[in-house]
Amino acid sequence: QSALTQPPSASGSPGQSVTITCTGTSSDIGGYSYVSWYQQHPGKAPKLMIYEVTKRPSGVPDRFSGSKSANTASLTVSGLQTEDEADYYCSSYAGSNNLVFGGGTKLTVL
Amino acid sequence: EVQLVESGGGLAKPGESLRLSCTASGFTFSTAWMTWVRQAPGRGLEWVGRIKSKTDGGTTDFAAPVRGRFTISRDDSKNTLYLQMNSLKTDDTAVYYCTLYTFGSSHYWGQGALVTVSS
Repeated sequence: QSALTQPPSASGSPGQSVTITCTGTSSDIGGYSYVSWYQQHPGKAPKLMIYEVTKRPSGVPDRFSGSKSANTASLTVSGLQTEDEADYYCSSYAGSNNLVFGGGTKLTVL
Repeated sequence: EVQLVESGGGLAKPGESLRLSCTASGFTFSTAWMTWVRQAPGRGLEWVGRIKSKTDGGTTDFAAPVRGRFTISRDDSKNTLYLQMNSLKTDDTAVYYCTLYTFGSSHYWGQGALVTVSS
């Protein structure tokens, strides 16, 4: 199963909004509503930020939002804060009991 | 509070075996689906495999690179998840995370265990 495609980097200034995309196929993102987004700070374990495309776990700020259109999922971070600087990974259920991750996007807050 | 604590990482030579453990607390382990996810140094996340709860069949599934070499098991009496890694390759060098998995997402992660495969 091929990895999902994410841009290697994204950036924005404090207070701005930034959107990170995650492109797959009809066999993963396009076929299921099980897209997740994870935030990972250096040396730390990943943290779930979005699940089932649009849902936020308890404690995740509403500045983080998710969406999906066809085979592409997106994570939008509004009102950027310095602590949002991290790596972000998407994942999707890919059928046949498989899960696939994106290659990761390094978000820089300028 | 959900806690997942991995142990058993270390150094192994190519072809050798290693077993990781993940001790869980703060939730009903016996009904949970659990996964292992790994991250090679400086690289992205890679799904390794998943085990369902015994009530859901207890079956396992694995990513292609580890299928046939890795097995996942669980001891619900000890709230412990295992990853048995056989025929290790240098490409298996990574931090291995155990996660609590629900509806396509890993909602909680352990701190990770480093496995280094080198001659």
